Amino acid sequence: DAGVIQSPRHEVTEMGQEVTLRCKPISGHNSLFWYRQTMMRGLELLIYFNNNVPIDDSGMPEDRFSAKMPNASFSTLKIQPSEPRDSAVYFCASSFSGPGQGSNQPQHFGDGTRLSIL
Amino acid sequence: QQPVQSPQAVILREGEDAVINCSSSKALYSVHWYRQKHGEAPVFLMILLKGGEQKGHDKISASFNEKKQQSSLYLTASQLSYSGTYFCGTESSNDYKLSFGAGTTVTVRA
Repeated sequence: DAGVIQSPRHEVTEMGQEVTLRCKPISGHNSLFWYRQTMMRGLELLIYFNNNVPIDDSGMPEDRFSAKMPNASFSTLKIQPSEPRDSAVYFCASSFSGPGQGSNQPQHFGDGTRLSIL
Repeated sequence: QQPVQSPQAVILREGEDAVINCSSSKALYSVHWYRQKHGEAPVFLMILLKGGEQKGHDKISASFNEKKQQSSLYLTASQLSYSGTYFCGTESSNDYKLSFGAGTTVTVRA
């Protein structure tokens, strides 16, 4: 089975440019998570969706960040305008979450997008 | 709030054992363990849901003490392939969100 697919794998762009990261979750999974990983802050949850609906975006750093999930098989994370401090590895993960079951299923991570803002 | 992992790093020779601890200041619903190799994505190892539960994955096992809000990961008879950074992810309420610890870097040498 195909795992979580993220694109692009690497992105280098200049400060002020718009950046769009893409994610295709595992088929049948109904929860999708966007994480950011840096040496300083570790692995941080930015936002997560359940059944395509954003449930918690409290981890989104500021208004420059936005995320959408128009359907069960696609999600985007957008940064506009980008800044050097946004440089990080961004992971998308998906899982199946039953009602009232909490996180009793593993989260499967994509290979990540390594983002560098110059 | 992030769980606290200890130690930050450990160096082992093949065949040695190690324990990684994960503590939370909040009551826990579940604890997840992942391993990440350099430049790769985190890979799921196991989930613990109930107090006192123990699980195993090959020679890697874990326990969860719900009352103490702690989990421990046990690496037994370590192999070179066990090298990587181990993260615990904790869920403090039944809401699917995980908070990850800072990680424990394990280096296994021949």
